[in-house]
Amino acid sequence: QKEVEQNSGPLSVPEGAIASLNCTYSDRGSQSFFWYRQYSGKSPELIMSIYSNGDKEDGRFTAQLNKASQYVSLLIRDSQPSDSATYLCAVPLMDTGRRALTFGSGTRLQVQP
Amino acid sequence: GAVVSQHPSWVICKSGTSVKIECRSLDFQATTMFWYRQFPKQSLMLMATSNEGSKATYEQGVEKDKFLINHASLTLSTLTVTSAHPEDSSFYICSAREGIGNTGELFFGEGSRLTVL
Repeated sequence: QKEVEQNSGPLSVPEGAIASLNCTYSDRGSQSFFWYRQYSGKSPELIMSIYSNGDKEDGRFTAQLNKASQYVSLLIRDSQPSDSATYLCAVPLMDTGRRALTFGSGTRLQVQP
Repeated sequence: GAVVSQHPSWVICKSGTSVKIECRSLDFQATTMFWYRQFPKQSLMLMATSNEGSKATYEQGVEKDKFLINHASLTLSTLTVTSAHPEDSSFYICSAREGIGNTGELFFGEGSRLTVL
C-alpha cells in the first residue's frame, strides 16, 4: 500500500465552483499534512499545511483533516482557471528518522472558463 | 518565506558525461537537504537525503555511485549525475526545511530539467 494515495484525475470543474481534492494516508502516526500545487514544468509550492483534526481556512483554500479516517482534503472555493494545476498531498516519512516528505501521485485539476 | 535556489534550471548533455546540479538555501541554514526526481506525469520520488558534513542517505533503488551527493556547507548541496544516460533524463528538484524537526514546511528549489541525448 502506498503511503499517500490520491485520485489522479483529471478533476474538471467550472469556473466559480468548489473543487474538492482528496487524499488518504497509511501511517496512523502521521502528525502533519501538506498540500502543494505544481504547475506544469515547475516545482511544487506549498498551499496549505494542517496538523490538527478539523478545518483550516486560508483565503479560498480550506484543508480538512480526519485522523481517525486517515483522510485529508483540500477545498478550493470560487475556482479560477489559474487554479488549474496538479495538487500534491504530502506527509513526512516517519521511519528511520528521515525528515523528507513523501508525496501522493497528485490530482490534476482543470478549471473550465 | 525561506528561499531555496537551484542551478542550472535546465541542462542538455551527451550520453556518458556527468552533470552537476547545485542547491542553495539562500536565507537559512539547512543541515539536511532532500533530492527528488520527477518523471513526466509522475509524482516526486525521494532519491536521497543530503546531510551536511556526512554521507548522504539514499533511497532503495537509487545508485549512490551514479548520483553523487555532496553537502559541504550549511547552505549548499550538490547532486552529480555521473555517466548520464537517456533514462536519467528527468526533473530533479531539491528541497530543504528551515529549522529542526520534521513538521515544518519543506521549501523547494526551482528544479533542474536534465535531458540526456
